[in-house]
Amino acid sequence: GAVVSQHPSWVICKSGTSVKIECRSLDFQATTMFWYRQFPKQSLMLMATSNEGSKATYEQGVEKDKFLINHASLTLSTLTVTSAHPEDSSFYICSASLAGIEQFFGPGTRLTVL
Amino acid sequence: KQEVTQIPAALSVPEGENLVLNCSFTDSAIYNLQWFRQDPGKGLTSLLLIQSSQREQTSGRLNASLDKSSGRSTLYIAASQPGDSATYLCAVGGGAGSYQLTFGKGTKLSVIP
Repeated sequence: GAVVSQHPSWVICKSGTSVKIECRSLDFQATTMFWYRQFPKQSLMLMATSNEGSKATYEQGVEKDKFLINHASLTLSTLTVTSAHPEDSSFYICSASLAGIEQFFGPGTRLTVL
Repeated sequence: KQEVTQIPAALSVPEGENLVLNCSFTDSAIYNLQWFRQDPGKGLTSLLLIQSSQREQTSGRLNASLDKSSGRSTLYIAASQPGDSATYLCAVGGGAGSYQLTFGKGTKLSVIP
């Protein structure tokens, strides 16, 4: 149980385009989903916390207009990187939580912006 | 602001050796502490979760301890195997109703056959 999927697993795009990443909890309803970013040889940095049906809470330094998060259902959250630039290239990982007791992580999405 | 430090940053041991990975955190008001494994280019695999009221958890060859008052946790791996080679991340869950995790930078473990 507690499986979280992400799609796509990797994506390459041109600078200036937008990319959408999906995070799904497959066998449970996630009241809260988290989005993290991981640069090479660095740890995971929390970008934002989203609760189903409400606006996401962004961490300091994360541009909410650039990283659009939608958590429309209890099993799906999406992260859209708008007008992506090479510095946005990173490994994006989501996690899903039921009642906040434990977070279950997705396999990650590797974004490369050319 | 919670800060999590992991020492050492990298560790190389011969197969069969027992080893200890260390994690320290600055704010002892935590909800829980988790140890994860991350293989190169992959997501996270949860190894052990210790609630703030617990002192240790065990799973197979892994044992994690938690000393909340001193802000420390250790992950003990017995009889290491080449398949244990990975980066091990320690993450602390915030207290006071916050379920956010703060991660350390990890310890990269290499087990030499």
